Amino acid sequence: ETGVTQTPRHLVMGMTNKKSLKCEQHLGHNAMYWYKQSAKKPLELMFVYNFKEQTENNSVPSRFSPECPNSSHLFLHLHTLQPEDSALYLCASSGASGDSSYEQYFGPGTRLTVT
Amino acid sequence: GQNIDQPTEMTATEGAIVQINCTYQTSGFNGLFWYQQHAGEAPTFLSYNVLDGLEEKGRFSSFLSRSKGYSYLLLKELQMKDSASYLCAVRDSNYQLIWGAGTKLIIKP
Repeated sequence: ETGVTQTPRHLVMGMTNKKSLKCEQHLGHNAMYWYKQSAKKPLELMFVYNFKEQTENNSVPSRFSPECPNSSHLFLHLHTLQPEDSALYLCASSGASGDSSYEQYFGPGTRLTVT
Repeated sequence: GQNIDQPTEMTATEGAIVQINCTYQTSGFNGLFWYQQHAGEAPTFLSYNVLDGLEEKGRFSSFLSRSKGYSYLLLKELQMKDSASYLCAVRDSNYQLIWGAGTKLIIKP
């Protein structure tokens, strides 16, 4: 595998379910990100991890819980979601979140539908 | 507040040239990025500007004017595969990326 991978690619879950999204990067990067992408809206940054430490939480509801066990893996644990949480969830990585020249590399995303 | 503005949708003809504009108002500036996103796929990096002027990369060029809070992406010799959304993003004083909603570019034969 190369680049940034995400699983699953598609997920349908009920509001009472618990599920997890997984992201893995094979680029040797030190920063990882979770974004939410809704139709015709800007990408919304949810969480940032820099060297495994969470450095950003943009007022995300507690029903989204991130986990970063090492610099290569990032999880997003989901529970008691709402229908408005249906969106494309993108994972990205970069060299380091404080370096302005590093572009972010994105995974293909998980298309989440909450019923 | 912080804001990135770009047109919602543009249409152009195969073989032609198109310019996608982006204006921004952010707290600080540490570079501007352009990404391309095909439907159902991940955004991919196109260009990075931190100094004023034009950066050329093959058929794609990106321009920045920091004093005007303005950038554009210029696509030449358009091909059908260029049909995609183009996202403008600015890195602010906290080194976080502020994203525009994207411009959907439709290429017609």
